[in-house]
Amino acid sequence: DSGVTQTPKHLITATGQRVTLRCSPRSGDLSVYWYQQSLDQGLQFLIQYYNGEERAKGNILERFSAQQFPDLHSELNLSSLELGDSALYFCASSVGAGMETQYFGPGTRLLVL
Amino acid sequence: LAKTTQPISMDSYEGQEVNITCSHNNIATNDYITWYQQFPSQGPRFIIQGYKTKVTNEVASLFIPADRKSSTLSLPRVSLSDTAVYYCLVGDDTGGFKTIFGAGTRLFVKA
Repeated sequence: DSGVTQTPKHLITATGQRVTLRCSPRSGDLSVYWYQQSLDQGLQFLIQYYNGEERAKGNILERFSAQQFPDLHSELNLSSLELGDSALYFCASSVGAGMETQYFGPGTRLLVL
Repeated sequence: LAKTTQPISMDSYEGQEVNITCSHNNIATNDYITWYQQFPSQGPRFIIQGYKTKVTNEVASLFIPADRKSSTLSLPRVSLSDTAVYYCLVGDDTGGFKTIFGAGTRLFVKA
């Protein structure tokens, strides 16, 4: 158990819909990262927040947005969903904003039908 | 962020030592080298991190030559449960970088 929690564990929805994925980092960690992993694909970095502020941005679509709240939990919002958005979405946290060890949550498996 | 190159896949047998090499020719002075392990449908798990020479923990060893343009993850006496994807990352701790995992190396351990 990494100490990072993600909800929900599974999510099934339809194209065009909007969903919100939630992540609670390990106690004491200030950074939250979001990744997307499609079937048999590598991890695609989406975005990083550090202490409430956006720190780094990867290949995150405009239909996707995220935020980190004062209590340091984070939410990833996916809108206008397409079939290709079906993937595992991982959240990770770390103490700082740099190359510290990232602790990954169990992921949310999203299926868009 | 330095680009890394790893073999796509490797096969081994139980009990053997496995060495996975990662090339990072444009590694910067402040960059560290970090390895993660990922099992199917699970999030990656930190294995080891180093800057130069050799680092060893209870799971693996990391060998980094003097020029730091490559690194080798060594897994002693692998078992079937070591079958996973192994990722090499290179970056510094100044923050604001994009974490690039790459395709990783798929290790398959056979009985």
